[in-house]
Amino acid sequence: QVQLVESGGGVVQPGGSLRLSCAASGFTFSSYGIHWVRQAPGKGLEWVAVISYDANDKYYADSVKGRFTISRDNSKNTLYLQMNSLRAEDTAVYYCAKAERVAARVLGLDVWGQGTTVTVSS
Amino acid sequence: QSVLTQPPSASGTPGQRVTISCSGRTSNIGSNYVYWYQQLPGTAPKLLISKNNQRPSGVPDRFSGSKSGSSASLAISGLRSEDEADYYCAAWDDRLSGGVFGGGTKLTVI
Repeated sequence: QVQLVESGGGVVQPGGSLRLSCAASGFTFSSYGIHWVRQAPGKGLEWVAVISYDANDKYYADSVKGRFTISRDNSKNTLYLQMNSLRAEDTAVYYCAKAERVAARVLGLDVWGQGTTVTVSS
Repeated sequence: QSVLTQPPSASGTPGQRVTISCSGRTSNIGSNYVYWYQQLPGTAPKLLISKNNQRPSGVPDRFSGSKSGSSASLAISGLRSEDEADYYCAAWDDRLSGGVFGGGTKLTVI
């Protein structure tokens, strides 16, 4: 079945780094844009970043620009989020989500992972 | 403060019709499709309405979406207890060159 599985979350000190992974299965990974969306404890959804199907286009929320890098390896059906200079406000559940179309600049996300928790704390 | 504005809460009784509004600007809702998500407690969000008013396969026709100018709304008719959840609107924002979500509306079925 169509599935996204995140991993790599954990506890990290402020200023530290973490790399999240999102393994895809059940669909042609290389044909779709993939997004990262996060949700701080008790808060709403916040869009983080998107990468186009061919990795040529990448967009980031202002809150993470310059600190986070989205990438993908289509040969491994895997999406990544490299997070550097982490702050307490980055604490959240991070979801990867598949776009329902090829285009990256749409927010129709039809498949979501279960999420991985990132905690930034000293 | 979210770019898209939603009421923080809404409520209704079983069988009732409720609507949730989502207000944006020309650069997001006014220029791009609006999407709606349902998030049940402890679970990942689920796409409820696509491209302003289209229901993905498996979504009951009790759910409907509409858009006018820079605003959109989600309507739920025949309210059921299992509809109790958080609802979010979302759109691409051309000015920000990024995605934006509403702050979410917590729906309570009384």
